[in-house]
Amino acid sequence: GQQLNQSPQSMFIQEGEDVSMNCTSSSIFNTWLWYKQDPGEGPVLLIALYKAGELTSNGRLTAQFGITRKDSFLNISASIPSDVGIYFCAGQSNQGGKLIFGQGTELSVKP
Amino acid sequence: SAVISQKPSRDICQRGTSLTIQCQVDSQVTMMFWYRQQPGQSLTLIATANQGSEATYESGFVIDKFPISRPNLTFSTLTVSNMSPEDSSIYLCSASTSGSNLYGYTFGSGTRLTVV
Repeated sequence: GQQLNQSPQSMFIQEGEDVSMNCTSSSIFNTWLWYKQDPGEGPVLLIALYKAGELTSNGRLTAQFGITRKDSFLNISASIPSDVGIYFCAGQSNQGGKLIFGQGTELSVKP
Repeated sequence: SAVISQKPSRDICQRGTSLTIQCQVDSQVTMMFWYRQQPGQSLTLIATANQGSEATYESGFVIDKFPISRPNLTFSTLTVSNMSPEDSSIYLCSASTSGSNLYGYTFGSGTRLTVV
């Protein structure tokens, strides 16, 4: 079945540093989504990407949809303590179809 | 985007019993899904809840264990039947929504289930 490989698994950074995480797949996806999950909560959608090569920003977050449609990355600039949480990538083969999730990247930010 | 309310938010259940989880969306949505998130793990899709017809289950999940209802475009239930400790997980409802420039999926806060 389809699988997403997300890396790194965890990151420990200093406040103010930039962060980068990525997802790769052996399958093509038509949509890439990035979520953040805080403890005790459901995932919250951060950024959605719909076209190969698309680069989209949401505040300090920037994400790109890879040209091959098999990968995506998420950058967080100038990290702050509230960025702490688990970040998940998710791929979707067709609009309205099911999501396949990556394993998650746990981010810790030291003030 | 839509707001999803899920209840109960948590429960501790005896093995062998069943628990029904409710998911209410504040607007009509096309697709509703149920996910399981085992401790420290990612999200795994259980099934797609289809309005007016039987749910579509993913490999490894069966209707007898996880019966699902979806009587209308805003509501769905997931039942975890004949529970065992291995069913201890977070169960999440999600729905497809559209709003601003984000067409993606919204999640409820989840139901944290502990089976003893």
